[in-house]
Amino acid sequence: GAVVSQHPSRVICKSGTSVKIECRSLDFQATTMFWYRQFPKQSLMLMATSNEGSKATYEQGVEKDKFLINHASLTLSTLTVTSAHPEDSSFYICSAREHPGELFFGEGSRLTVL
Amino acid sequence: AQSVSQHNHHVILSEAASLELGCNYSYGGTVNLFWYVQYPGQHLQLLLKYFSGDPLVKGIKGFEAEFIKSKFSFNLRKPSVQWSDTAEYFCAVWVPGTYKYIFGTGTRLKVLA
Repeated sequence: GAVVSQHPSRVICKSGTSVKIECRSLDFQATTMFWYRQFPKQSLMLMATSNEGSKATYEQGVEKDKFLINHASLTLSTLTVTSAHPEDSSFYICSAREHPGELFFGEGSRLTVL
Repeated sequence: AQSVSQHNHHVILSEAASLELGCNYSYGGTVNLFWYVQYPGQHLQLLLKYFSGDPLVKGIKGFEAEFIKSKFSFNLRKPSVQWSDTAEYFCAVWVPGTYKYIFGTGTRLKVLA
Protein backbone atom coordinates (compact mmCIF):
# COMPACT_ATOMS: atom_id res chain seq x y z
CA GLY A 1 0.00 0.00 0.00
CA ALA A 2 0.88 3.66 -0.18
CA VAL A 3 3.23 5.09 2.42
CA VAL A 4 2.78 8.25 4.44
CA SER A 5 5.62 9.48 6.59
CA GLN A 6 5.50 11.93 9.44
CA HIS A 7 8.36 13.80 11.07
CA PRO A 8 9.27 14.24 13.84
CA SER A 9 7.80 11.30 15.71
CA ARG A 10 8.38 12.99 19.05
CA VAL A 11 9.00 16.59 19.92
CA ILE A 12 9.35 18.37 23.23
CA CYS A 13 9.23 22.12 23.31
CA LYS A 14 8.91 24.98 25.71
CA SER A 15 5.67 26.86 26.14
CA GLY A 16 5.41 29.76 23.72
CA THR A 17 7.49 28.23 20.97
CA SER A 18 6.27 26.98 17.61
CA VAL A 19 6.59 23.44 16.33
CA LYS A 20 6.36 22.20 12.75
CA ILE A 21 5.28 18.69 11.85
CA GLU A 22 5.75 17.36 8.33
CA CYS A 23 3.62 14.83 6.52
CA ARG A 24 4.85 13.31 3.28
CA SER A 25 3.30 10.90 0.85
CA LEU A 26 6.29 8.88 -0.29
CA ASP A 27 5.07 6.97 -3.32
CA PHE A 28 1.97 8.77 -4.47
CA GLN A 29 0.63 12.25 -4.97
CA ALA A 30 -1.92 13.46 -2.48
CA THR A 31 -4.03 16.46 -3.36
CA THR A 32 -5.74 16.08 -0.02
CA MET A 33 -4.24 15.31 3.34
CA PHE A 34 -5.94 15.19 6.69
CA TRP A 35 -4.68 16.20 10.11
CA TYR A 36 -6.03 14.47 13.17
CA ARG A 37 -5.49 14.84 16.86
CA GLN A 38 -5.76 11.82 19.08
CA PHE A 39 -6.48 12.24 22.76
CA PRO A 40 -5.78 9.43 25.21
CA LYS A 41 -8.50 6.81 25.13
CA GLN A 42 -10.42 8.79 22.55
CA SER A 43 -10.96 8.63 18.85
CA LEU A 44 -9.18 10.55 16.16
CA MET A 45 -10.49 14.07 15.92
CA LEU A 46 -10.27 15.61 12.49
CA MET A 47 -8.64 19.00 12.80
CA ALA A 48 -8.40 20.11 9.23
CA THR A 49 -8.26 19.05 5.63
CA SER A 50 -5.19 20.18 3.77
CA ASN A 51 -5.64 20.94 0.08
CA GLU A 52 -2.68 21.29 -2.23
CA GLY A 53 -2.39 24.83 -3.53
CA SER A 54 -5.23 26.25 -1.50
CA LYS A 55 -6.22 27.07 2.04
CA ALA A 56 -6.90 24.33 4.51
CA THR A 57 -10.43 23.61 5.65
CA TYR A 58 -10.65 23.65 9.42
CA GLU A 59 -13.18 21.81 11.54
CA GLN A 60 -15.36 23.68 13.93
CA GLY A 61 -13.56 24.60 17.11
CA VAL A 62 -10.05 24.32 15.66
CA GLU A 63 -8.14 27.58 15.74
CA LYS A 64 -6.68 28.16 12.31
CA ASP A 65 -4.26 30.79 13.60
CA LYS A 66 -2.90 28.35 16.13
CA PHE A 67 -2.66 25.33 13.87
CA LEU A 68 -1.21 26.57 10.61
CA ILE A 69 -1.43 24.14 7.73
CA ASN A 70 0.47 24.45 4.50
CA HIS A 71 0.18 22.04 1.58
CA ALA A 72 2.80 23.41 -0.75
CA SER A 73 3.23 20.36 -2.96
CA LEU A 74 1.46 17.15 -3.88
CA THR A 75 3.61 15.17 -1.47
CA LEU A 76 4.03 17.47 1.52
CA SER A 77 1.75 19.03 4.08
CA THR A 78 2.94 20.74 7.23
CA LEU A 79 1.21 21.49 10.50
CA THR A 80 2.69 24.26 12.62
CA VAL A 81 1.53 24.59 16.19
CA THR A 82 2.17 28.22 16.97
CA SER A 83 2.86 29.55 20.45
CA ALA A 84 2.37 26.08 21.88
CA HIS A 85 0.99 25.61 25.37
CA PRO A 86 0.81 22.52 27.56
CA GLU A 87 -2.81 21.92 26.55
CA ASP A 88 -1.60 21.47 22.98
CA SER A 89 0.33 18.39 24.06
CA SER A 90 -1.15 15.54 22.12
CA PHE A 91 -0.63 12.95 19.41
CA TYR A 92 -1.01 14.44 15.95
CA ILE A 93 -1.61 12.16 13.00
CA CYS A 94 -1.71 12.94 9.32
CA SER A 95 -3.25 10.87 6.60
CA ALA A 96 -3.61 10.97 2.86
CA ARG A 97 -5.52 9.09 0.25
CA GLU A 98 -4.30 7.87 -3.08
CA HIS A 99 -7.71 6.86 -4.29
CA PRO A 100 -11.12 7.89 -3.04
CA GLY A 101 -12.02 5.97 0.07
CA GLU A 102 -8.88 4.50 1.56
CA LEU A 103 -6.74 6.49 3.95
CA PHE A 104 -3.09 5.88 4.66
CA PHE A 105 -1.74 7.16 7.94
CA GLY A 106 1.54 8.57 9.08
CA GLU A 107 3.26 7.25 12.17
CA GLY A 108 2.02 10.14 14.26
CA SER A 109 3.87 12.86 16.12
CA ARG A 110 3.75 13.11 19.88
CA LEU A 111 4.04 16.71 21.00
CA THR A 112 4.89 17.53 24.59
CA VAL A 113 4.82 21.17 25.60
CA LEU A 114 6.57 21.94 28.85
CA ALA B 1 -24.44 14.58 11.58
CA GLN B 2 -22.82 11.29 10.86
CA SER B 3 -21.38 9.38 13.77
CA VAL B 4 -19.75 6.05 14.47
CA SER B 5 -20.22 4.08 17.67
CA GLN B 6 -17.97 1.38 19.01
CA HIS B 7 -19.60 -0.01 22.09
CA ASN B 8 -16.74 -2.11 23.37
CA HIS B 9 -14.01 0.14 24.68
CA HIS B 10 -11.84 -2.55 26.20
CA VAL B 11 -11.89 -6.23 25.43
CA ILE B 12 -9.73 -8.89 27.02
CA LEU B 13 -9.62 -12.36 25.53
CA SER B 14 -7.54 -15.47 25.85
CA GLU B 15 -5.72 -16.82 22.83
CA ALA B 16 -7.93 -18.90 20.54
CA ALA B 17 -11.09 -17.17 21.72
CA SER B 18 -13.42 -15.74 19.11
CA LEU B 19 -13.68 -12.00 18.66
CA GLU B 20 -16.49 -9.72 17.63
CA LEU B 21 -16.20 -5.94 17.88
CA GLY B 22 -19.29 -3.89 17.30
CA CYS B 23 -19.51 -0.87 15.03
CA ASN B 24 -22.64 1.10 14.27
CA TYR B 25 -22.94 4.23 12.20
CA SER B 26 -25.62 6.82 11.72
CA TYR B 27 -26.18 7.82 8.11
CA GLY B 28 -29.01 6.86 5.87
CA GLY B 29 -27.24 6.97 2.53
CA THR B 30 -24.43 5.12 0.85
CA VAL B 31 -21.30 4.74 2.94
CA ASN B 32 -17.91 3.18 2.67
CA LEU B 33 -16.80 1.38 5.80
CA PHE B 34 -13.38 0.60 7.19
CA TRP B 35 -11.66 -1.07 10.07
CA TYR B 36 -8.23 0.21 10.99
CA VAL B 37 -5.83 -1.31 13.49
CA GLN B 38 -3.12 0.37 15.53
CA TYR B 39 -0.58 -1.99 17.02
CA PRO B 40 1.42 -0.73 20.00
CA GLY B 41 3.94 1.82 18.83
CA GLN B 42 2.84 1.66 15.23
CA HIS B 43 0.71 3.76 12.95
CA LEU B 44 -2.83 3.06 11.91
CA GLN B 45 -3.19 0.58 9.10
CA LEU B 46 -6.10 -0.75 7.14
CA LEU B 47 -7.55 -4.10 8.15
CA LEU B 48 -10.39 -4.24 5.68
CA LYS B 49 -12.87 -2.10 3.82
CA TYR B 50 -16.34 -2.31 2.33
CA PHE B 51 -17.35 -0.27 -0.68
CA SER B 52 -20.03 -2.39 -2.33
CA GLY B 53 -20.87 -5.95 -3.28
CA ASP B 54 -20.60 -8.91 -0.94
CA PRO B 55 -21.40 -7.61 2.54
CA LEU B 56 -19.04 -10.12 4.10
CA VAL B 57 -15.58 -8.67 3.70
CA LYS B 58 -12.37 -10.52 4.38
CA GLY B 59 -9.29 -8.62 5.42
CA ILE B 60 -5.75 -9.30 6.48
CA LYS B 61 -4.67 -11.61 9.29
CA GLY B 62 -7.88 -13.63 9.31
CA PHE B 63 -10.21 -10.74 10.12
CA GLU B 64 -13.58 -10.32 8.49
CA ALA B 65 -16.47 -7.91 8.84
CA GLU B 66 -20.10 -8.04 7.86
CA PHE B 67 -22.02 -5.05 6.62
CA ILE B 68 -25.65 -5.23 7.67
CA LYS B 69 -27.37 -2.27 6.10
CA SER B 70 -30.64 -2.69 7.99
CA LYS B 71 -28.77 -2.51 11.27
CA PHE B 72 -26.29 0.18 10.20
CA SER B 73 -23.59 -2.12 11.47
CA PHE B 74 -20.16 -3.28 10.36
CA ASN B 75 -18.94 -5.65 13.05
CA LEU B 76 -15.43 -7.02 13.00
CA ARG B 77 -14.84 -10.72 13.65
CA LYS B 78 -12.04 -13.19 13.99
CA PRO B 79 -12.67 -16.85 14.82
CA SER B 80 -9.51 -17.37 16.86
CA VAL B 81 -7.42 -14.48 18.17
CA GLN B 82 -3.71 -14.53 18.77
CA TRP B 83 -1.55 -12.65 21.24
CA SER B 84 -0.25 -10.59 18.32
CA ASP B 85 -3.75 -9.22 17.74
CA THR B 86 -3.36 -7.06 20.83
CA ALA B 87 -4.00 -3.58 19.45
CA GLU B 88 -6.52 -0.81 19.18
CA TYR B 89 -9.18 -1.15 16.52
CA PHE B 90 -11.01 1.73 14.90
CA CYS B 91 -14.12 1.60 12.79
CA ALA B 92 -14.51 4.40 10.26
CA VAL B 93 -17.09 5.65 7.82
CA TRP B 94 -16.59 7.68 4.69
CA VAL B 95 -19.52 9.20 2.86
CA PRO B 96 -18.77 9.25 -0.88
CA GLY B 97 -18.73 12.75 -2.24
CA THR B 98 -17.52 14.23 1.04
CA TYR B 99 -14.00 14.60 2.29
CA LYS B 100 -14.71 13.47 5.82
CA TYR B 101 -13.86 10.23 7.46
CA ILE B 102 -15.65 9.67 10.75
CA PHE B 103 -13.92 7.44 13.26
CA GLY B 104 -15.31 5.55 16.19
CA THR B 105 -13.73 5.91 19.63
CA GLY B 106 -11.74 2.73 19.22
CA THR B 107 -11.64 -0.60 21.02
CA ARG B 108 -8.57 -1.72 22.89
CA LEU B 109 -8.11 -5.45 22.54
CA LYS B 110 -5.79 -7.33 24.82
CA VAL B 111 -5.15 -10.97 24.10
CA LEU B 112 -3.69 -13.01 26.91
CA ALA B 113 -1.18 -15.66 26.00
